[in-house]
Amino acid sequence: KAGVTQTPRYLIKTRGQQVTLSCSPISGHRSVSWYQQTPGQGLQFLFEYFSETQRNKGNFPGRFSGRQFSNSRSEMNVSTLELGDSALYLCASSSDTGSGTEAFFGQGTRLTVV
Amino acid sequence: SQQGEEDPQALSIQEGENATMNCSYKTSINNLQWYRQNSGRGLVHLILIRSNEREKHSGRLRVTLDTSKKSSSLLITASRAADTASYFCATDEREAAGNKLTFGGGTRVLVKP
Repeated sequence: KAGVTQTPRYLIKTRGQQVTLSCSPISGHRSVSWYQQTPGQGLQFLFEYFSETQRNKGNFPGRFSGRQFSNSRSEMNVSTLELGDSALYLCASSSDTGSGTEAFFGQGTRLTVV
Repeated sequence: SQQGEEDPQALSIQEGENATMNCSYKTSINNLQWYRQNSGRGLVHLILIRSNEREKHSGRLRVTLDTSKKSSSLLITASRAADTASYFCATDEREAAGNKLTFGGGTRVLVKP
């Protein structure tokens, strides 16, 4: 079974631009979550999608958004990039409809904002 | 915001020794999970312990959970150089909808050959 695939792996953007990151979950998994990892704030939950619906959202500004497609693939978008958005963005997929199962993480997208 | 605090923040041991790290959290949970991360790459799931379990084993890993103290520990026995990584605890909070994990700050483990 293929794992969680995130593209691109690395990205360099300029302040003010926008960026779209992609995540393909494990086949059969309908839950996709996104996390931001920075040295200062650690791992923080962005949002979770299940069956194309956002089921949970973290404390991030509206510049951070996401969506999920009917094949469970997910994208997250960050608009009007700021230097502080530089981070490793991790996507995770889970099989369960609720809580209580492990999350499988992709290798992440390293975003650098200059 | 982070739910958990991990202790110690960093740990350096010799190959063959045991490594123990602790995690404390704040709210009621459904389960607690431990993950490993190598050099800023993706997280690898190690073990999940449910709120009604007190101890769980997986290979060289032993996890305990004390819900009355809101704490957990991860023990890695007979450590190897390949165990060098950062280890994170993550809680699945009872009040949170869906699949949302709240991570601790992590423990950086260095296993010297």
